[in-house]
Amino acid sequence: DIQMTQSPSSLSASVGDRVTISCRASQSISSNLNWYQQRPGKAPKLLIYAASNLRSGVPSRFSGSGSGTDFTLTISSLQPEDFVTYYCQQSYSTLMYTFGQGTKLEIK
Amino acid sequence: QLQLQESGPGLVKPSETLSLTCTVSGGSISSSSYYWGWFRQSPGKGLEWIGSIHYSGSTYYNPSLKSRLTVSVDTSKNQFSLKLNSVTAADTAVYYCARHPHGSGRDWFDPWGQGTLVIVTS
Repeated sequence: DIQMTQSPSSLSASVGDRVTISCRASQSISSNLNWYQQRPGKAPKLLIYAASNLRSGVPSRFSGSGSGTDFTLTISSLQPEDFVTYYCQQSYSTLMYTFGQGTKLEIK
Repeated sequence: QLQLQESGPGLVKPSETLSLTCTVSGGSISSSSYYWGWFRQSPGKGLEWIGSIHYSGSTYYNPSLKSRLTVSVDTSKNQFSLKLNSVTAADTAVYYCARHPHGSGRDWFDPWGQGTLVIVTS
């Protein structure tokens, strides 16, 4: 299986900050990397697909980059509703999709 | 607007079969462009893909669950279902369904159902 490792596991920041969440794959996955946001008690929601494509309706302060094994999710100016948990997911191996362990964004 | 809704028992006894259904509304499950997937989330294991099905009946499963798993589709009801047998406490989780394109790395999951908690307990 392709292992996905996110860092950090948790991150403290303030409203208005620019933050970056990293996701590393255990092997090259080209640009087959997707990002999700999950609020407590709710289902994950797709934010970014194919590493850098913003899902329709997602605010432009979210952006994704990377290819190969290293990827980042950037939030350019944190809003109060952004302090939730984020997951990456690889879609390179269609026989076994895997997710990162999550990054919880907390208010400083 | 496409919506998915999971349903099924919230409590299952050890060694029995966990059965869930996902009902699709606002669109047809019989789209050739998409697969329909099951996922679960538990504190100990994070988000885990369980298996996916196409309206044609084509399936693929998580190898770690394959021996206990059956995913099926009922196009007449616009539903797909999950059966996981011989459950243990380790199968306790929130179970989700979601739609996804398939192939060439386009397998992103959107939208998702709201999720349903299944507890395995005697």
